Amino acid sequence: GAGVSQTPSNKVTEKGKYVELRCDPISGHTALYWYRQSLGQGPEFLIYFQGTGAADDSGLPNDRFFAVRPEGSVSTLKIQRTERGDSAVYLCASSSGADYGYTFGSGTRLTVV
Amino acid sequence: GQQLNQSPQSMFIQEGEDVSMNCTSSSIFNTWLWYKQDPGEGPVLLIALYKAGELTSNGRLTAQFGITRKDSFLNISASIPSDVGIYFCAGRKSSGGSNYKLTFGKGTLLTVNP
Repeated sequence: GAGVSQTPSNKVTEKGKYVELRCDPISGHTALYWYRQSLGQGPEFLIYFQGTGAADDSGLPNDRFFAVRPEGSVSTLKIQRTERGDSAVYLCASSSGADYGYTFGSGTRLTVV
Repeated sequence: GQQLNQSPQSMFIQEGEDVSMNCTSSSIFNTWLWYKQDPGEGPVLLIALYKAGELTSNGRLTAQFGITRKDSFLNISASIPSDVGIYFCAGRKSSGGSNYKLTFGKGTLLTVNP
């Protein structure tokens, strides 16, 4: 598609449940990023993929968070045993190379109740 | 995680007025970026700055990359109602292999009264 697509746009889940958030980057973009934006804050880096591999996952808050990009295109961010503090907007972005500007998706608003 | 110091936090102005916001950091960044975010959307890039001292315009927007590489400002001239939104600065370092990671400010919420 023309832009970065994220699904679902909203997700409400109960504490302790598992969730998956999907990102479909711009076709041909090799670099993909996940950021998390809490209320009233700017986005914070989570993980960066170059192709299929996670080149930098230093921003993932703990081992409940995991992301994959098995074919170098679509990526899935997975959160196990969700906690209320995980509530935030999860933004995905892609670019044609690490030095180039990002295009962000509209995000998935995750609410853990 | 680290966030840039962005001010003001919010601004309420009349249509037609000029606006200025800025961003500072305790460390050096080699690229400064300004984004606008509308409700329910992701940030959209407005201006990118790549050299210390650089002054770049995009329509009614003008941004400058500070000569110390630790700050940047964004000006909006003759504001219009559609300028409403949250403006974020972001910095990118090119050393240490971190040339892909953006560090964002907390944002400036702009409200324009018609």
